[in-house]
Amino acid sequence: GAGVSQSPRYKVAKRGQDVALRCDPISGHVSLFWYQQALGQGPEFLTYFQNEAQLDKSGLPSDRFFAERPEGSVSTLKIQRTQQEDSAVYLCASSPRLKETQYFGPGTRLLVL
Amino acid sequence: AQTVTQSQPEMSVQEAETVTLSCTYDTSESDYYLFWYKQPPSRQMILVIRQEAYKQQNATENRFSVNFQKAAKSFSLKISDSQLGDAAMYFCAYRAFGNEKLTFGTGTRLTIIP
Repeated sequence: GAGVSQSPRYKVAKRGQDVALRCDPISGHVSLFWYQQALGQGPEFLTYFQNEAQLDKSGLPSDRFFAERPEGSVSTLKIQRTQQEDSAVYLCASSPRLKETQYFGPGTRLLVL
Repeated sequence: AQTVTQSQPEMSVQEAETVTLSCTYDTSESDYYLFWYKQPPSRQMILVIRQEAYKQQNATENRFSVNFQKAAKSFSLKISDSQLGDAAMYFCAYRAFGNEKLTFGTGTRLTIIP
């Protein structure tokens, strides 16, 4: 079946612009995760959802970052007033339920100029 | 806070040979999971192998096996009969039993020499 998909795959933004990154999880997966991967680093946790409930947002670096999953399926990560340090690959993962293996999408590479 | 350390930024191995990637972690938890993920160039991350801390037996998946030393907080990955398709970044990751987030190391870039 189809895996986790993310769009856009690449995004270039000018400093100060708002961006929205989309994640389509594997159909039926209850849990959805967002990670940020800076160049040359491992992914770092941002937030996760169980269905539409955001259970942990402790990794969001500032209040400019906002994630939602209103119907418990597709999720959007929004970054307001982007800054150069936001440049990274944003990875989405989903799992069938909590405590199960996370399946990753291809990521969105964000470059803020 | 939990930390995961991969001390080998790069490794290389001759095709068909065996290579071991190192990982250490720090935690005060007794129940947790450990993972090795593979991230090929420009492709998505996939799970290679998973180990539950309460299991004494080391996990194996075909050519991939781990050496899990709980007391030493060490979790190395052994790849046997290396193939060209094994070339990738390999990330070690930790998840506490009562938590959902994965904590990753900084990765090891594995090159396969034909």
